[in-house]
Amino acid sequence: AQSVTQPDIHITVSEGASLELRCNYSYGATPYLFWYVQSPGQGLQLLLKYFSGDTLVQGIKGFEAEFKRSQSSFNLRKPSVHWSDAAEYFCAVGASGGSYIPTFGRGTSLIVHP
Amino acid sequence: GAGVSQTPSNKVTEKGKYVELRCDPISGHTALYWYRQSLGQGPEFLIYFQGTGAADDSGLPNDRFFAVRPEGSVSTLKIQRTERGDSAVYLCASSLLAGGDGSPLHFGNGTRLTVT
Repeated sequence: AQSVTQPDIHITVSEGASLELRCNYSYGATPYLFWYVQSPGQGLQLLLKYFSGDTLVQGIKGFEAEFKRSQSSFNLRKPSVHWSDAAEYFCAVGASGGSYIPTFGRGTSLIVHP
Repeated sequence: GAGVSQTPSNKVTEKGKYVELRCDPISGHTALYWYRQSLGQGPEFLIYFQGTGAADDSGLPNDRFFAVRPEGSVSTLKIQRTERGDSAVYLCASSLLAGGDGSPLHFGNGTRLTVT
């Protein structure tokens, strides 16, 4: 069974600073990987996804993530954070074989200081 | 285009009552998922439909929980004899396909269930 670890419960950054949110996964084969963002009272919105190919994936809102097989990681990055990026971020892993049921991490809450 | 729609957005019920939560997926999406999200946690899988049939219901916590999708579109999650521990946000998601293509899930805004 697959699993996801997001080691940081909260991250605080200043507006304009760079951001990296960590995600580690456990899965025996090449996984499908996703990052979602959730604003208060809203559903989850897909930021980006990795299926195969180029390990650096570009997403919406200026986000990118890099798949590193050797480290079982899929960290989310943004070079310059905006106040509107404050939200909850979830990493998810989906099995590339068998029943396709994405598993989510517990999330990282991003706080942006002006 | 229209996204995943969930109704009601909020539901308050008394312990022991029966509730139904509705999900209207994106048109043409064959796969439909129900997740539950407790405060400070990520979404936790409940059940997944491929078409009309439940392909995997291993996440349903007990037999008080049941879900249907009779025509392969709208789904209803049903909870009998609700308990205070059932209080959570229930999220529905749909995807175009399911299985090896890794289609991303598209989520609704959820139904916040409060059991008093």
